[in-house]
Order: sequence, then structure tokens, then C-alpha cells
Amino acid sequence: KNEVEQSPQNLTAQEGEFITINCSYSVGISALHWLQQHPGGGIVSLFMLSSGKKKHGRLIATINIQEKHSSLHITASHPRDSAVYICAVQYNFGNEKLTFGTGTRLTIIP
Amino acid sequence: DAGITQSPRHKVTETGTPVTLRCHQTENHRYMYWYRQDPGHGLRLIHYSYGVKDTDKGEVSDGYSVSRSKTEDFLLTLESATSSQTSVYFCAITRGLSGNTIYFGEGSWLTVV
Repeated sequence: KNEVEQSPQNLTAQEGEFITINCSYSVGISALHWLQQHPGGGIVSLFMLSSGKKKHGRLIATINIQEKHSSLHITASHPRDSAVYICAVQYNFGNEKLTFGTGTRLTIIP
Repeated sequence: DAGITQSPRHKVTETGTPVTLRCHQTENHRYMYWYRQDPGHGLRLIHYSYGVKDTDKGEVSDGYSVSRSKTEDFLLTLESATSSQTSVYFCAITRGLSGNTIYFGEGSWLTVV
């Protein structure tokens, strides 16, 4: 059983909608990463969080350490946001090994 | 974009043949990783390196070996490829020990027939 659970697995929305993708993990972590994978495979890092909230453009990432939960929000979604969004957790700062979720496939329809 | 390249990007090989994938970085990052990505699974760590000649196993290391003779190059070798090793392989790099942004290569699609 994957220790990092993402929901939903697939999400289709209309352009302009507010999007939320969730990530839950089972044990305490030191950091959580949100990644984006476009069709064609390239993976890019969006955020790394250890507490609170971060914002970059239309993307917002939040984390609740006590509840072991993180969310990635996309405001004013656009078809170019269509991608797989991957959550990954880092269990301690002395060990860079990450445990990855299986991803959420987002499709934004014009 | 981080300077990280993988080669080959696509390869088809026969069962039982050796295969080597190369990851090359121009960022002088200390840590390098090889992951595989398969449907229904998250990215899974095969091997990683924390310096020249310093490597360690990940969660799915059976059937794979690695070498790092220079900071910039990390090689992944399948000594005798099997169909179960058909996958997409990603190299990644991070700067150091504490929480750091992770940068990925573009991926290598390997098919073992």
C-alpha cells in the first residue's frame, strides 16, 4: 500500500474553475513536494513545503502537518494546466529519499 | 531549467541483453537518483548516489547496478534486461541533505521485448 495517497485520481473541469487536489500521508514528514508532469513525460517541481502555505502565480499549496494532509489549488484553471500532479513526501532531512503518490490526472476543457 | 540530460531517450532491447542509461548534469549537485515510473505506481527509487563512487540501493534495486565515477554522470545498468524492466526511467538531482528542490531529467523510455 502506497504511503502517500492522492485524490482524486482523475479530475476533469471546465476552464476557469477552481481546482483542488489532495494528498494524505501516513507518518510524520519533514517536507512535502508537489510536482507537475506534462504529456511527454517531463517532471517539474512546483513547490516544496514544510509548513503553512506557498503561492506561485495561480498555484497555491497548503500543508497541515498535524492532519498529515496537503492540498494543491489552481485558480482560474486553463487548458495548459492539464497535466499529472504528483505529491511526494520526504521523511527526514537527513535522507533525501522521497515517497511518491501515484498522481492526479487533471484535464481542463476549454 | 536545471541542466540534466538523459540518454538514450528511447530504447528497445531484447531480453537478456545489457542496457546502460546515462544521466548527465551540469549543476554540480551532489545527489543523483534513478527512478522508474510504472502505471499504478508512484515513482520508485532504484538507486541513488551521494557523491563520486558513493551509491546506495533504493526500494526496487534488484536487477540494476549503478556507477558514478564523476560528479556529473550517473549510470544505470541493467545487466540482463527482463520484460519486467520495461518502464520509463527518470534521473533526478538535488543539491544537498536538507530539503531541496528536486530536478528531473526528461525520462528514458525502455522497452524489453
